[in-house]
Amino acid sequence: DIQMTQSPSSLSASVGDRVTITCRASQSISNFLNWYQQKPEKAPNLLIDGASSLQSGVPSRFSGSGSGTDFTLTISSLQPEDFATYYCQQSYSTPLTFGGGTKVEIK
Amino acid sequence: QVQLVESGGGVVQPGGSLRLSCAASGFTFSTYGIHWVRQAPGKGLEWMAFIRSDGSNTYYADSVRGRFTLSRDISKNTLYLQMNSLRAEDTAVYYCAKGISTDDYSFHFWGQGTLVTVSS
Repeated sequence: DIQMTQSPSSLSASVGDRVTITCRASQSISNFLNWYQQKPEKAPNLLIDGASSLQSGVPSRFSGSGSGTDFTLTISSLQPEDFATYYCQQSYSTPLTFGGGTKVEIK
Repeated sequence: QVQLVESGGGVVQPGGSLRLSCAASGFTFSTYGIHWVRQAPGKGLEWMAFIRSDGSNTYYADSVRGRFTLSRDISKNTLYLQMNSLRAEDTAVYYCAKGISTDDYSFHFWGQGTLVTVSS
């Protein structure tokens, strides 16, 4: 199974800050990496697939990069509505696996 | 538009069974694979199961293989998750989800989830 290690598990940031979340796969997954945002009591929402393809309707302050085993989600200027938990997920092979999540909280 | 609606959750005793449903609309049900993903209270996301678009192949996480079974009724545009031998650790919100291509391993669309509580 491919293990996904996400860091940090939580962070505190202020509105306007640049935020970076990293995700590492236990083996190469090419660019088969997705990022989701989840708010309390809601289903996750896909932000980025294919490591860097921003989904329609997702603000351009979100970006993704990486390939192989190391990936990054960046929020260029944190907005109040961005406080949430973020998950990476490998879509390379079953069993599909998620990172443990990063909770972004208000500083 | 694509819609996935889960139902069937509830409280069940350890060792019991439950069947969840995922009613789909807004797309041709028989041409897309669909996944189940669960989330235990306060925990992260866990992929559990997938049925391919042709309905002939199913995939399960080790944690549920042999206990959970996927099936579908194309005439009703509904996917079913039969859960047997339930354990306390199966307590979670269960989501069905699908991608945008035929047997996509990404989750572009999600249902609202249904809560399963395994407790005596």
